[in-house]
Amino acid sequence: QQPVQSPQAVILREGEDAVINCSSSKALYSVHWYRQKHGEAPVFLMILLKGGEQKGHEKISASFNEKKQQSSLYLTASQLSYSGTYFCGTAPLGNEKLTFGTGTRLTIIP
Amino acid sequence: NAGVTQTPKFRVLKTGQSMTLLCAQDMNHEYMYWYRQDPGMGLRLIHYSVGEGTTAKGEVPDGYNVSRLKKQNFLLGLESAAPSQTSVYFCASSYQDAYEQYFGPGTRLTVT
Repeated sequence: QQPVQSPQAVILREGEDAVINCSSSKALYSVHWYRQKHGEAPVFLMILLKGGEQKGHEKISASFNEKKQQSSLYLTASQLSYSGTYFCGTAPLGNEKLTFGTGTRLTIIP
Repeated sequence: NAGVTQTPKFRVLKTGQSMTLLCAQDMNHEYMYWYRQDPGMGLRLIHYSVGEGTTAKGEVPDGYNVSRLKKQNFLLGLESAAPSQTSVYFCASSYQDAYEQYFGPGTRLTVT
């Protein structure tokens, strides 16, 4: 069962902040975040593991609420290069395979 | 390192024709995956492999077959293409399950 992402799309001005949410109906082992630019392959951003800490690099960070089976991706002071579609992938407990959400399209305008 | 490569990049098939998509990785990864991506649907897992000589079904396996005769290669076959198989196909690999996945550039397939 696919995780649910929200919002489906968001438009921001350069420098604004964004939050993308991902929720699952199953108990999770890990949550992955990927970004895909138009016409390109998805590129890995980060993994959050059950029992792990909040992760991040530069101005992109994420959190994982194990009790609620939810994760959020935070983009701070967005740059034009952040534009693209963001996918979360969830790996439930029990060794099931990664399942991707339908994506959140982020557009950054100058 | 080339990472993950896919051939061909584009292909047009007529209904009923067959074809094989090739995925190759040079990172010595055990796990390899085939996904299809359709507008509004995200990435859906077709088949995967946990090592040379092994394959398993994913979420949407019908109409596809796969083989992993060599660790570095993962082939996706369509025996009798249907218009519903028009999609962009991505191959990916990872060191272990639930680890970071590295994606190939994709193959855009159109079935008429």
